[in-house]
Amino acid sequence: ILNVEQSPQSLHVQEGDSTNFTCSFPSSNFYALHWYRWETAKSPEALFVMTLNGDEKKKGRISATLNTKEGYSYLYIKGSQPEDSATYLCAFPYGGSQGNLIFGKGTKLSVKP
Amino acid sequence: DAMVIQNPRYQVTQFGKPVTLSCSQTLNHNVMYWYQQKSSQAPKLLFHYYDKDFNNEADTPDNFQSRRPNTSFCFLDIRSPGLGDAAMYLCATSRDEGETQYFGPGTRLLVL
Repeated sequence: ILNVEQSPQSLHVQEGDSTNFTCSFPSSNFYALHWYRWETAKSPEALFVMTLNGDEKKKGRISATLNTKEGYSYLYIKGSQPEDSATYLCAFPYGGSQGNLIFGKGTKLSVKP
Repeated sequence: DAMVIQNPRYQVTQFGKPVTLSCSQTLNHNVMYWYQQKSSQAPKLLFHYYDKDFNNEADTPDNFQSRRPNTSFCFLDIRSPGLGDAAMYLCATSRDEGETQYFGPGTRLLVL
C-alpha cells in the first residue's frame, strides 16, 4: 500500500517567519509529486508539479525542492503572511505517470499577524 | 473564468435518504474525479471518469455511484447515506490522466 506522509500535521508561526514542511513518498517508481494549497472555504489550488530529482520550483515566496532518491519534498515559505494560512497537500501518482493521486493528510499552516 | 463548480456547498441529509451532489466544469477537461475527505484525513479518490469511461476504486463502497451525462457535469449519488459518510466531497478535473487537477470548493455533507 502506497503511503504519502506529511509533517508536521499543523504549524503556527508569526507573520514574517519563514517556515518549511515535509512530504515523504515512496522512492521507487517515481513519476511526479504534486503540491496543492487549500485555503478554508476555497478550492484546493495547484502549486507545483515536480518531476526531476533535485528540482526546485518557486512561486513568489513559496518554493519546493525534490529528492526522488530518498523520497521527500520540502515546501518553504519565506516571510510568511496571514494570507499564506492554508492546508498544504502533497500528492503522488500511483500506477504510472497517468496514475491517480494519493494525497497526504496535509500540513495546516496558521500565520498570526 | 473557467472553473469547477460544486453545488450545494453544504448538504444535510437524513440517515438512509438518497442524496446527490453535483459538479460542473467549464474547462472542457476529459477527466473528472470525486474525492471523499473525512476530518483530519487525506482526500481519498472514490472514482473518476475519463470521458465516458467510468473507473471505480476497488475500495469504494457500492453505496456510492456516479453519473456523467456530458463533458461538463458529473454527479455523485449516495444511495443510503450512513453516519460514516459525513465528509467533504471534492470534485476535480484534469485535461488528461496524470495531469494537474483543478478542484471545486467541495460539498460538505452532514448526515443526521
